[in-house]
Amino acid sequence: DADVTQTPRNRITKTGKRIMLECSQTKGHDRMYWYRQDPGLGLRLIYYSFDVKDINKGEISDGYSVSRQAQAKFSLSLESAIPNQTALYFCATSDHDRVKLFFGEGSRLTVL
Amino acid sequence: AQSVTQLDSQVPVFEEAPVELRCNYSSSVSVYLFWYVQYPNQGLQLLLKYLSGSTLVESINGFEAEFNKSQTSFHLRKPSVHISDTAEYFCAVSRTTSGTYKYIFGTGTRLKVLA
Repeated sequence: DADVTQTPRNRITKTGKRIMLECSQTKGHDRMYWYRQDPGLGLRLIYYSFDVKDINKGEISDGYSVSRQAQAKFSLSLESAIPNQTALYFCATSDHDRVKLFFGEGSRLTVL
Repeated sequence: AQSVTQLDSQVPVFEEAPVELRCNYSSSVSVYLFWYVQYPNQGLQLLLKYLSGSTLVESINGFEAEFNKSQTSFHLRKPSVHISDTAEYFCAVSRTTSGTYKYIFGTGTRLKVLA
């Protein structure tokens, strides 16, 4: 089983719909992150959380929200999806030394 | 603002040929440097990292990267590539800002190994 699991892996939705992407990890890490990957733009940080009570905005948080339900779970929500949120989304974790990121396999979201 | 520049978006190379993927970063303070690899339909995996010490770091599958502080570069090299090396490679830097580590990723270089 993967250490960082994302669901769903693929989702097609329509403009205006609410979408939730879920991430769970079995690595016991405190720190969790949501990134967005677009061709030619690399990875950009949406939100990050250093523990259950700590949520921080990344560089592109507008239009997104997150919830850290437990140490192992970190969800990303799009309250009202729009087409330019079509992208590949990655969840990642890191341990206390913050040196290495562990990534999930990605959630591909298409907004029509 | 800190940035990471990967100069080549795509690099085609024949099997068994050498390859260099270039990465430059902008920073006036100490950073950690990384190369991550993304195989098709997978997440990113750490390939190698430079934290301190020897400026030449190696991965288990034959890649190496050299930290050059004067040129602010961390180029990735392999003397002989295989078909299985076809993937997208991301350079990244991490530095502490007010006690919080921040990762900055480059835009990626797609390596295509040709038979």
